[in-house]
Amino acid sequence: ETGVTQSPTHLIKTRGQQVTLRCSSQSGHNTVSWYQQALGQGPQFIFQYYREEENGRGNFPPRFSGLQFPNYSSELNVNALELDDSALYLCASSSDTIQFFGPGTRLTVL
Amino acid sequence: GESVGLHLPTLSVQEGDNSIINCAYSNSASDYFIWYKQESGKGPQFIIDIRSNMDKRQGQRVTVLLNKTVKHLSLQIAATQPGDSAVYFCAETTDNYGQNFVFGPGTRLSVLP
Repeated sequence: ETGVTQSPTHLIKTRGQQVTLRCSSQSGHNTVSWYQQALGQGPQFIFQYYREEENGRGNFPPRFSGLQFPNYSSELNVNALELDDSALYLCASSSDTIQFFGPGTRLTVL
Repeated sequence: GESVGLHLPTLSVQEGDNSIINCAYSNSASDYFIWYKQESGKGPQFIIDIRSNMDKRQGQRVTVLLNKTVKHLSLQIAATQPGDSAVYFCAETTDNYGQNFVFGPGTRLSVLP
């Protein structure tokens, strides 16, 4: 196990709702990255947080936002959910270049 | 733009044989690569990494080869075991801080008894 935890493990929402996913990074890691993994595809980079500041963003709309807290845990918020947001959301923590992933949160949007 | 792809979406090998999983990348500026293994219901697990100033790197039962000339990456698994059955992803980045990894679509490895 990587020591990266995510909650909840599964979540069902309806279109238009908002969701918050949480991630606790591995001890000693100050960087958290979030990825979206659609079924049968590789993870896609959403954004990264380093010491509470956004440190890079992928090709995702502004309704995807995040936070990092002083203890380096992080949240991913998604507003105005769409059906295509259904996916496995992965968080990865790192202290250098190697990213260690959590088990993910499976989000289903109905 | 950056893209990473795989030649084989599925690979079946006999237990005990060696496995080779391939990956092609299009961005010649990519300078850091990671192979991840993802088992069903789990997040990707780090296997091995390699920087662009290297051609080969070995770990326990795994070897990664990098051919920058043809922008090709491979993962070799020696003496494949049933526990190696999973989806394998290559990921590449041009960012020195490992910020924006681009993942390939993945190869499913099935180990036959």
